[in-house]
Amino acid sequence: DTEVTQTPKHLVMGMTNKKSLKCEQHMGHRAMYWYKQKAKKPPELMFVYSYEKLSINESVPSRFSPECPNSSLLNLHLHALQPEDSALYLCASSHVGQPPGYTFGSGTRLTVV
Amino acid sequence: GQNIDQPTEMTATEGAIVQINCTYQTSGFNGLFWYQQHAGEAPTFLSYNVLDGLEEKGRFSSFLSRSKGYSYLLLKELQMKDSASYLCAVSGSGGYNKLIFGAGTRLAVHP
Repeated sequence: DTEVTQTPKHLVMGMTNKKSLKCEQHMGHRAMYWYKQKAKKPPELMFVYSYEKLSINESVPSRFSPECPNSSLLNLHLHALQPEDSALYLCASSHVGQPPGYTFGSGTRLTVV
Repeated sequence: GQNIDQPTEMTATEGAIVQINCTYQTSGFNGLFWYQQHAGEAPTFLSYNVLDGLEEKGRFSSFLSRSKGYSYLLLKELQMKDSASYLCAVSGSGGYNKLIFGAGTRLAVHP
């Protein structure tokens, strides 16, 4: 298995809703990431988990709450989002401290209404 | 601060060769990566350079000069399916586990 699987692929939520994005990989990678990507912009790092512990939080608002329940799963809990949070949310994984690079999931297209 | 610069857009003809440049200024350096991203899809890994010189992989090659803070991605024998965004990313002082992406270069390949 060489894939990172993200669900759902598309999500529309209201500003008062609570929802979660899910990410799963079975490549034995112990580093997992959340990136946010707006249209025609590069991916922006949000969170990094290393060995199931949060190692990097790029000053992300608390309405985004990550969780790494085990070495294969990564969640992003969403609450009280704003329309400007609408974006493509990408999950990625890699070996810790080793190149060559990430394996990305296909992303969740989030629309906040 | 960290800064990664790439041209915004490029166009090329099917069968031709195109070079996409990337310049970077980062605190620390642990390698430079190139990714391809088709519209609405996830980025896919193309190449990795950590030492100066050229890395060749099929139709794609990537070059790095650490002293100049410069890299390029060379695409040969262009095909229509190569129309995509090409993202330059650097692993800096944050280590391999923190990639910073450039804004990307949108390449349009025409018949």
